[in-house]
Amino acid sequence: DGGITQSPKYLFRKEGQNVTLSCEQNLNHDAMYWYRQDPGQGLRLIYYSQIVNDFQKGDIAEGYSVSREKKESFPLTVTSAQKNPTAFYLCASSHPGQGWDNEQFFGPGTRLTVL
Amino acid sequence: GESVGLHLPTLSVQEGDNSIINCAYSNSASDYFIWYKQESGKGPQFIIDIRSNMDKRQGQRVTVLLNKTVKHLSLQIAATQPGDSAVYFCAENYEPLEGKLTFGQGTILTVHP
Repeated sequence: DGGITQSPKYLFRKEGQNVTLSCEQNLNHDAMYWYRQDPGQGLRLIYYSQIVNDFQKGDIAEGYSVSREKKESFPLTVTSAQKNPTAFYLCASSHPGQGWDNEQFFGPGTRLTVL
Repeated sequence: GESVGLHLPTLSVQEGDNSIINCAYSNSASDYFIWYKQESGKGPQFIIDIRSNMDKRQGQRVTVLLNKTVKHLSLQIAATQPGDSAVYFCAENYEPLEGKLTFGQGTILTVHP
């Protein structure tokens, strides 16, 4: 089955540690996205990548980093510079269409808790 | 601020009733809109989409209406069922050339048996 996987589902981190969240897709999508969701709120864009070896900052990129070395993978690193990292992190992918049918398919999410 | 917003943060209905969830958007250049459903602890799931050259689109038990004059989007769910209880988000293609979506804050729909 095609889809997006995120791992792990739950992640605990001590303050001051960097942590990397995994996102893999086998939908052959060019574009991939990372969102952060806080309780009772909508999705905020962290980083996105329209093509391999290229990525752009979203609305809340500070304290995060990404890489896009392979089409199917878009890992997100939450660094110690992120002041409030506890949140639900969602990865998504889409076809590279510009303006039309840009439906994004979401993974199941990773819940990060900083202890 | 948010370019996409919702008029009602919570909505409670009885099973079998029709539900209407509203959304306002601010960018008249947005040309594509999506409704997502998110159950607790899960990622959002696509429900239905609509392009800006359309006023209405129907799916299975769901209808999306787009009023470009007042920049308003709505999701209608017919014969609402307990399984429809979730958070519903609208999203707009705010920057068409970038392929990015901007999401509203969501409406919590609760369906009572």
